[in-house]
Amino acid sequence: EDKVVQSPLSLVVHEGDTVTLNCSYEVTNFRSLLWYKQEKKAPTFLFMLTSSGIEKKSGRLSSILDKKELFSILNITATQTGDSAIYLCAVLINTNAGKSTFGDGTTLTVKP
Amino acid sequence: NAGVTQTPKFRILKIGQSMTLQCTQDMNHNYMYWYRQDPGMGLKLIYYSVGAGITDKGEVPNGYNVSRSTTEDFPLRLELAAPSQTSVYFCASSWERTGELFFGEGSRLTVL
Repeated sequence: EDKVVQSPLSLVVHEGDTVTLNCSYEVTNFRSLLWYKQEKKAPTFLFMLTSSGIEKKSGRLSSILDKKELFSILNITATQTGDSAIYLCAVLINTNAGKSTFGDGTTLTVKP
Repeated sequence: NAGVTQTPKFRILKIGQSMTLQCTQDMNHNYMYWYRQDPGMGLKLIYYSVGAGITDKGEVPNGYNVSRSTTEDFPLRLELAAPSQTSVYFCASSWERTGELFFGEGSRLTVL
């Protein structure tokens, strides 16, 4: 059974802190790993990672994939209150259906 | 460009009632999905479709049905609602096999 595990489940930090969110996976037929941010409503796409060791970056957010150790991290530097959200990790399976298996998410709270 | 539109946003059902959650996308995506999200959990795949006329079960299909008569529409039918179906339901779509999901805003369903 495909499995995606995120840690920690929740995290409380203060503005300006740097956080690292973890995602490990055990899946058959890995295609890519995706990160989403979920505020009050629907998840929105952050990154897609397919190759090991290549960092994806967008502003204060960055992510990297290790396909040998089967994990990914999402870093957020200089956190702001607007970063408060649930961060979801998903693994896309390499089938014709494009199905994704999601972790349970990390709830990040950034206090002023 | 509306993206993925879900209706209704909220609904309360009595045990044993049936209802349909509507989902429409205007991005001409072939791939469409229904997920449910329980509190503190990630997204669980209910059903998916890779094109008009083609549907298949995901991880948690029991108690649900879908149809896909057009590329745009992917309704989810709940038959004989049970309290265990209390959840937030997300419809999503994607380009073929790219993995990035575009989500609707969710439908919060309560079964009492």
